[in-house]
Amino acid sequence: DGGITQSPKYLFRKEGQNVTLSCEQNLNHDAMYWYRQDPGQGLRLIYYSQIVNDFQKGDIAEGYSVSREKKESFPLTVTSAQKNPTAFYLCASSPPAGEQYFGPGTRLTVT
Amino acid sequence: GIQVEQSPPDLILQEGANSTLRCNFSDSVNNLQWFHQNPWGQLINLFYIPSGTKQNGRLSATTVATERYSLLYISSSQTTDSGVYFCAVGAGGFKTIFGAGTRLFVKA
Repeated sequence: DGGITQSPKYLFRKEGQNVTLSCEQNLNHDAMYWYRQDPGQGLRLIYYSQIVNDFQKGDIAEGYSVSREKKESFPLTVTSAQKNPTAFYLCASSPPAGEQYFGPGTRLTVT
Repeated sequence: GIQVEQSPPDLILQEGANSTLRCNFSDSVNNLQWFHQNPWGQLINLFYIPSGTKQNGRLSATTVATERYSLLYISSSQTTDSGVYFCAVGAGGFKTIFGAGTRLFVKA
């Protein structure tokens, strides 16, 4: 089946630890995205990548890092510098400037 | 940057009723999507509609790009339509701006 997978579904970490969220797609899309959603809010763009080995900051990139070594994969690291990391994280992919498709999300809780 | 406003913020319907959700945007856009976020958080694509009108079963959408708004129509609503409906726009490049959403609850 073609689609986007994110793992894990739920993630719990202690404050001060870095954590990496996985996102994989087999849709052959060039572009990939990471969004953050807080309770009762819309989605905010963290990072996006138009092509392998290239990525740009979105609106709320501070405290996050990404890599794009393969077309299929776009992992997101939430670093200890992120002041309020507890949130729902959604990954998406699209053809260039086209319709975005989303993965099921990862719920991160940091205590 | 582009501002996206959705209305109403909350909507409660009796099963079988019809509704219209609105998305206003502050500048020209080159793409617009409607999504339904289900109670488990999954975003489901409803329409990719930069302009014009599309229909899919009980749902239809219209975007009037020159007047900077889009409408999502839900007819004969069902309890499974409950959730949050998001409008998202792109104005060039790869950046997408989401509205705050309309929270819909359909009562049986």
